[in-house]
Amino acid sequence: DTAVSQTPKYLVTQMGNDKSIKCEQNLGHDTMYWYKQDSKKFLKIMFSYNNKELIINETVPNRFSPKSPDKAHLNLHINSLELGDSAVYFCASSLQGSNEKLFFGSGTQLSVL
Amino acid sequence: DQQVKQNSPSLSVQEGRISILNCDYTNSMFDYFLWYKKYPAEGPTFLISISSIKDKNEDGRFTVFLNKSAKHLSLHIVPSQPGDSAVYFCAANSWSKLTFGKGITLSVRP
Repeated sequence: DTAVSQTPKYLVTQMGNDKSIKCEQNLGHDTMYWYKQDSKKFLKIMFSYNNKELIINETVPNRFSPKSPDKAHLNLHINSLELGDSAVYFCASSLQGSNEKLFFGSGTQLSVL
Repeated sequence: DQQVKQNSPSLSVQEGRISILNCDYTNSMFDYFLWYKKYPAEGPTFLISISSIKDKNEDGRFTVFLNKSAKHLSLHIVPSQPGDSAVYFCAANSWSKLTFGKGITLSVRP
């Protein structure tokens, strides 16, 4: 059983399109995150949710909108995709108070053409 | 503004020898440090961590050392094994937010 699963694994799309990435965790964690790994390989936090509430919202364009229907799911919707959005997006989860021992999904490679 | 720096992009060691991966940080508010390991096409996986009140934490072949005055931590792997070949990320926690370094690629030669 995959602990943190995200789909799709690969996403190739045209500029201007809208796309979504889904994430689910079955670990019973109460906090979920989206991280972006850019071309320079830095992993940067985008958002975190605790029990469906937005906790961290880094400087991310409004075109990115996370949605957490329940504490086991955190989806990422991206509007009007741009070339610079091409990156690997990782979903992660943790238990509050665990000093951020994150469990990551396997990543979604987004390529915007 | 890189608050967590892994200045060496890669390291190659012989199987059985020690691997030492270094990490420097600039933010004094970091209170917990973690190392993650990442294989290609997979997400990072937690390896070992250390609280800022300690200077050493050991787990099997893996030991993390923290030098707060130098704002430096290192991960020692001994003995290194070919399966340890991966990208290693150093991360630091402040107010429940992790800041990652850009990773170092470790290659362990048989």
